[in-house]
Amino acid sequence: ETGVTQSPTHLIKTRGQQVTLRCSSQSGHNTVSWYQQALGQGPQFIFQYYREEENGRGNFPPRFSGLQFPNYSSELNVNALELDDSALYLCASSLWSGRTSEKLFFGSGTQLSVL
Amino acid sequence: GESVGLHLPTLSVQEGDNSIINCAYSNSASDYFIWYKQESGKGPQFIIDIRSNMDKRQGQRVTVLLNKTVKHLSLQIAATQPGDSAVYFCAEGGKLIFGQGTELSVKP
Repeated sequence: ETGVTQSPTHLIKTRGQQVTLRCSSQSGHNTVSWYQQALGQGPQFIFQYYREEENGRGNFPPRFSGLQFPNYSSELNVNALELDDSALYLCASSLWSGRTSEKLFFGSGTQLSVL
Repeated sequence: GESVGLHLPTLSVQEGDNSIINCAYSNSASDYFIWYKQESGKGPQFIIDIRSNMDKRQGQRVTVLLNKTVKHLSLQIAATQPGDSAVYFCAEGGKLIFGQGTELSVKP
């Protein structure tokens, strides 16, 4: 186990609703990254947070937003849900020095279904 | 654009054989690569990583080879076991780009 915990594990929403997913990072880590993984695909980078600020973003619309808190936990918010948002949402934490890339440790994900 | 891709979506091997999973990347400036294993219903699990100043790195039953000339890396699993059955992803660490994954099936 990595020590990265995500909640909830499963969630069902309807189109147009808003959702908040939560992540607690591994102890000692200062960076949180969020990924979307559609069935049968590799994880797609949504964004990364470092020191409570967004530190890189993938090709996702602004209705995907996030927060990182002083304790390094994080939230992913998605507004105006669409059917295509149905996926496994993964959170990963890492210890970033500001210079070199480091390995990510993933949680088990939140399975979001949009009906 | 930049991409990281695996050569084969599926790989089937006999228990006890060695497995080789390949990955190509397009960004010649990439300096950090990671291999992950993902079992059904779980998040990706770190296997091994390598930085661009190395050609080879070994772990427990796994070896990663990096060929910067042709922008290719591979994951070798020695004496493959049924517990190795999973989807394997390579990822470029700088911009956190994952490939599509190779599903490894181990036949008893």
